Amino acid sequence: AQSVTQLGSHVSVSEGALVLLRCNYSSSVPPYLFWYVQYPNQGLQLLLKYTSAATLVKGINGFEAEFKKSETSFHLTKPSAHMSDAAEYFCAVRVHNTDKLIFGTGTRLQVFP
Amino acid sequence: GAVVSQHPSRVICKSGTSVKIECRSLDFQATTMFWYRQFPKQSLMLMATSNEGSKATYEQGVEKDKFLINHASLTLSTLTVTSAHPEDSSFYICSAAVPGEAREQYFGPGTRLTVT
Repeated sequence: AQSVTQLGSHVSVSEGALVLLRCNYSSSVPPYLFWYVQYPNQGLQLLLKYTSAATLVKGINGFEAEFKKSETSFHLTKPSAHMSDAAEYFCAVRVHNTDKLIFGTGTRLQVFP
Repeated sequence: GAVVSQHPSRVICKSGTSVKIECRSLDFQATTMFWYRQFPKQSLMLMATSNEGSKATYEQGVEKDKFLINHASLTLSTLTVTSAHPEDSSFYICSAAVPGEAREQYFGPGTRLTVT
């Protein structure tokens, strides 16, 4: 069975600091992985996706993620946090041979001035 | 990216009534759409997979007679909460999978349902 685990339900950073949100996956087949962001009372917005074309994936809003098979990780990073990055972030894996997604429990990012 | 709309954004209804929520893919055709429920400060819970032209596939524990799903066209899926009760109050979000290798999902803005 496939799954994702997000370490840290809350992450706080100062504006301008590095953002690192952790996601580890479990999959017996090459996975399709995604990061989504959710602002309060809104749906989810796709930040980036991993499809095995490249291990370093660049997304929107300056975010990127690196697929590391040896560590079964797909951590999300951004070099410099902005106040507008404060939101809930979800890592997800696509279930093999389906279109379903399995989501992590989410990480709430707070950005302090 | 692809755009998915959802209507209404908020609805308040009385206990025992039914509520219909619409989900539309605006710039692509979606053979598969999904309906999720999200409780406060929690992750998304998949309720069902909506398949165009066929019956929806419900996740374990989801009452299919209570949450009726219809996917009548390649751009529209509806979720009807029948005989709503206060415990059905929640944030409902739909999504649609786009064609391509990753089949990533694009999400609607969500519907806040409050049953009084």
